[in-house]
Amino acid sequence: GEDVEQSLFLSVREGDSSVINCTYTDSSSTYLYWYKQEPGAGLQLLTYIFSNMDMKQDQRLTVLLNKKDKHLSLRIADTQTGDSAIYFCAESTDTGTASKLTFGTGTRLQVTL
Amino acid sequence: DVKVTQSSRYLVKRTGEKVFLECVQDMDHENMFWYRQDPGLGLRLIYFSYDVKMKEKGDIPEGYSVSREKKERFSLILESASTNQTSMYLCASSSSAAGGGYGYTFGSGTRLTVV
Repeated sequence: GEDVEQSLFLSVREGDSSVINCTYTDSSSTYLYWYKQEPGAGLQLLTYIFSNMDMKQDQRLTVLLNKKDKHLSLRIADTQTGDSAIYFCAESTDTGTASKLTFGTGTRLQVTL
Repeated sequence: DVKVTQSSRYLVKRTGEKVFLECVQDMDHENMFWYRQDPGLGLRLIYFSYDVKMKEKGDIPEGYSVSREKKERFSLILESASTNQTSMYLCASSSSAAGGGYGYTFGSGTRLTVV
């Protein structure tokens, strides 16, 4: 079955880079996603990467995909206090009727001054 | 602005009560999902629906049922609420036609406490 793993907590200083890591198990995943959840809110899609790509950059966000090791990472450059949130990686799995997402446990990012 | 709306942000129910959690989306999405979120466990899929009146079990369907009578509305039902169903419940929708790059759109969540 699918399993997505993340470390639970990361603390960085404001202005530093944050790197959040994720490992997944389903090698047939077509898309991999990063979602952000701010306190008391639902999940917001941050970015995604297609499985035939190695890297995707979107302003301060860089996604790296190592398909051989089934490893996904999200780098946030110049981390700000507004980046404090829980970050979830997710892989898509085709069930035959719909694509469903399997989420990791989430990494809580704490940004300190 | 497209939306997934969950009817309640906070809900307190008694053990044994029948509980309805409602979710409505205005994006004409075919697929709708119910997840529960617990600390350290991430999001776990309870049920999903890929069409009106169609449903499939997710990873943790026990103790839950769902109803999708109209395309825009997906209801999660706790037949007899128990304290271990105290959790944050998140509804999401997605389009089959849009392709995977759009992921899901989530509601703000319903925090359910069963006492």
